Amino acid sequence: DGGITQSPKYLFRKEGQNVTLSCEQNLNHDAMYWYRQDPGQGLRLIYYSQIVNDFQKGDIAEGYSVSREKKESFPLTVTSAQKNPTAFYLCASRTGKSNEQYFGPGTRLTVT
Amino acid sequence: AQSVTQLDSHVSVSEGTPVLLRCNYSSSYSPSLFWYVQHPNKGLQLLLKYTSAATLVKGINGFEAEFKKSETSFHLTKPSAHMSDAAEYFCVVSDLEDSSYKLIFGSGTRLLVRP
Repeated sequence: DGGITQSPKYLFRKEGQNVTLSCEQNLNHDAMYWYRQDPGQGLRLIYYSQIVNDFQKGDIAEGYSVSREKKESFPLTVTSAQKNPTAFYLCASRTGKSNEQYFGPGTRLTVT
Repeated sequence: AQSVTQLDSHVSVSEGTPVLLRCNYSSSYSPSLFWYVQHPNKGLQLLLKYTSAATLVKGINGFEAEFKKSETSFHLTKPSAHMSDAAEYFCVVSDLEDSSYKLIFGSGTRLLVRP
């Protein structure tokens, strides 16, 4: 059963701690993306990667970091430098032949 | 620069009546346009997409959208709303000339369906 998995679904952290969100896909897609969603707003692009071992900053990369060591995995680390980390985080992937993106179920991060 | 404007933040309809969710876009090049749906605390599901073929695009669950270049619009419609259609809907533009294939999202329209 192909798809994108994100874990955990809910994540709670104390302010000042780094936290890593998992994103795994078994669709054999080349490109992967991380978005942030805040209430009443559309999604904003954090980072994206089009091939293994390469990634680019999106529109709101400050306070985040990523890695792409394997085609199927694109973890996102929310660092203590991110001023407002509480949000819903969505991972997506795309095959090289299309600009249509497939989304995971999301991780809701709450930092107190 | 590309942008998307969803003209209504909330739309409320009665079950069985038509749905219209409005979207205007701005794009310098040849746009791809999408509508995605999001149910509470879920990921996004693609409803339909336009990629320079037919201007009237049919999607899943009875939704369709019409690309009107002269009006720079891509409104989403459905003849008869169902309770299960209650969700948040996002209009999205992507530039076919941009090798990053980034998606630009509108701010969303929350559809409420009254029994």
